Amino acid sequence: DAKTTQPPSMDCAEGRAANLPCNHSTISGNEYVYWYRQIHSQGPQYIIHGLKNNETNEMASLIITEDRKSSTLILPHATLRDTAVYYCISDRGSTLGRLYFGRGTQLTVWP
Amino acid sequence: KAGVTQTPRYLIKTRGQQVTLSCSPISGHRSVSWYQQTPGQGLQFLFEYFSETQRNKGNFPGRFSGRQFSNSRSEMNVSTLELGDSALYLCASSLGAIGGTDTQYFGPGTRLTVL
Repeated sequence: DAKTTQPPSMDCAEGRAANLPCNHSTISGNEYVYWYRQIHSQGPQYIIHGLKNNETNEMASLIITEDRKSSTLILPHATLRDTAVYYCISDRGSTLGRLYFGRGTQLTVWP
Repeated sequence: KAGVTQTPRYLIKTRGQQVTLSCSPISGHRSVSWYQQTPGQGLQFLFEYFSETQRNKGNFPGRFSGRQFSNSRSEMNVSTLELGDSALYLCASSLGAIGGTDTQYFGPGTRLTVL
């Protein structure tokens, strides 16, 4: 039931920017884009979310295209600890707790 | 502010037994959601509780049940365990708002192994 599409894997050199794409071509006007990541066998960690505008916090930046059909999560200076599965989720806040997780993108940061 | 806590972190049971897992949400959060994660099926939604009421339920058999207490702490119970119930069980808490943004924060999970 996941409504987003992500590449299954990506890699990135340590210290470089990691740009993780997400396609959400069927997103509706009131749906937010959320990003989580999960380091092996730990609980998913919230990263960032946005509706229309680009967002930035201490962890990452979120760039949403003007038509809102896709977005990119940017980790500006990737470290080995950023190796994880990254999930992009669209949610309109009325799903009463149900988030639809796809398979996500396995990001591997190499030294 | 303390994060979401889950106990126990690891559990080993045998087929046919039952198990109870506990989740303490972030202070002030009234919604608790439960998920099951397996290598084959990924993260799947079990149910959500808000103010001691189940508001939403996923497609799991009746062996999976839950409840929420007045302090928002939640428990989930699995009866008559099967081998396929071996999984990482995650809970997430949020304010529970409907509409708009309601960010869920996850606990570390309980790793259940059924032998």
